Amino acid sequence: DAKTTQPNSMESNEEEPVHLPCNHSTISGTDYIHWYRQLPSQGPEYVIHGLTSNVNNRMASLAIAEDRKSSTLILHRATLRDAAVYYCILRDFNYGGSQGNLIFGKGTKLSVKP
Amino acid sequence: GAVVSQHPSRVICKSGTSVKIECRSLDFQATTMFWYRQFPKQSLMLMATSNEGSKATYEQGVEKDKFLINHASLTLSTLTVTSAHPEDSSFYICSASGQVGWGTEAFFGQGTRLTVV
Repeated sequence: DAKTTQPNSMESNEEEPVHLPCNHSTISGTDYIHWYRQLPSQGPEYVIHGLTSNVNNRMASLAIAEDRKSSTLILHRATLRDAAVYYCILRDFNYGGSQGNLIFGKGTKLSVKP
Repeated sequence: GAVVSQHPSRVICKSGTSVKIECRSLDFQATTMFWYRQFPKQSLMLMATSNEGSKATYEQGVEKDKFLINHASLTLSTLTVTSAHPEDSSFYICSASGQVGWGTEAFFGQGTRLTVV
């Protein structure tokens, strides 16, 4: 799986939008962009994923650059419960017929101020 | 999203004993399961990948005879830490992947905090 680059940490105020960037300049045509987040002492939680088009779900939005070399996870209104480490991961859909593994980088630690 | 249940959530064992951790996909068939280990303030490190009915594929540096992985069914995988030592103390997390809805989501268990004393 290709590597991603994220800022180590970000801060946000409660009720404000948060834009978490991710660079993946070596992304291949079959790589999906996945976002997970991890709260302390818990397993990672799936947030959203996409291939080419922007995606929305109840948790967040994913904006994917036209060249797919970068993406941004958007939390529309940050809450204290959104404080977590957010991981941007590329996953090859065509990995050997099985599901490609998820390789975690260091992620972005998001702090939310009340 | 789909549910992956991991058990136990915490375990303390004596040095030299073995510990088994279970990972179950509750509402979907997990064709592939992954096992990760996470040390404090670090990211998740992939230990091994297993496909149902096949031998697990271990990452470089992970001892397959120490970390036994069994994936006998589409809903259950187990990780057994054999002859555990204090340096094996860590947060172990499983992930299950299969065709759930659209795309290729993987879902994670709650993690198991292993402390070897």
